[in-house]
Amino acid sequence: DTGVSQNPRHKITKRGQNVTFRCDPISEHNRLYWYRQTLGQGPEFLTYFQNEAQLEKSRLLSDRFSAERPKGSFSTLEIQRTEQGDSAMYLCASSPVRRLAYEKNTEAFFGQGTRLTVV
Amino acid sequence: SQELEQSPQSLIVQEGKNLTINCTSSKTLYGLYWYKQKYGEGLIFLMMLQKGGEEKSHEKITAKLDEKKQQSSLHITASQPSHAGIYLCGADGLIIQGAQKLVFGQGTRLTINP
Repeated sequence: DTGVSQNPRHKITKRGQNVTFRCDPISEHNRLYWYRQTLGQGPEFLTYFQNEAQLEKSRLLSDRFSAERPKGSFSTLEIQRTEQGDSAMYLCASSPVRRLAYEKNTEAFFGQGTRLTVV
Repeated sequence: SQELEQSPQSLIVQEGKNLTINCTSSKTLYGLYWYKQKYGEGLIFLMMLQKGGEEKSHEKITAKLDEKKQQSSLHITASQPSHAGIYLCGADGLIIQGAQKLVFGQGTRLTINP
């Protein structure tokens, strides 16, 4: 399977604990995105990487959240001191880079997500 | 900031019936994406529209982008149980540097009754 892979699929943690999620993008994709989705809502952008560089972070990404993509391949999203409000589906997506603005847009491919429940 | 409004929020149709889901943007759409999501799973890409008046079809699903590029519709013909799920429209939030940060609508939950 050469799609976007996320681990774990489900995570239940106690409030105050730290959690880390992993995303393996499609191998030739330079861009990697993290989104968060709460029940009944569409996904909300958190952050994205181009290769190993984190180019943008949403204001949704508080200081307790940190994302890395050390070698420009897989990425991790860590949440420190989890709160019940962090309970959500965390989605990772990847896409090839679009070098010039007028080039055809390319779609992002999503992983299956990691469902976090903070109790 | 760009916002997308989907309607209806939920839809229940009899198997075999046609249906339409709409997505309206507060700003001009530079790239409009339709995704399908089964409950608790990731998003599956359906179609992408860029040009005003563009229309694309795949099997029994047709998506259109209006001439003004502020509204898109997704039409399913002769619905089947496999069409059930949550349909999401997403728009490119940025065109600078070719970034593709998607802004999504809240989704439309489709149920197909046998």
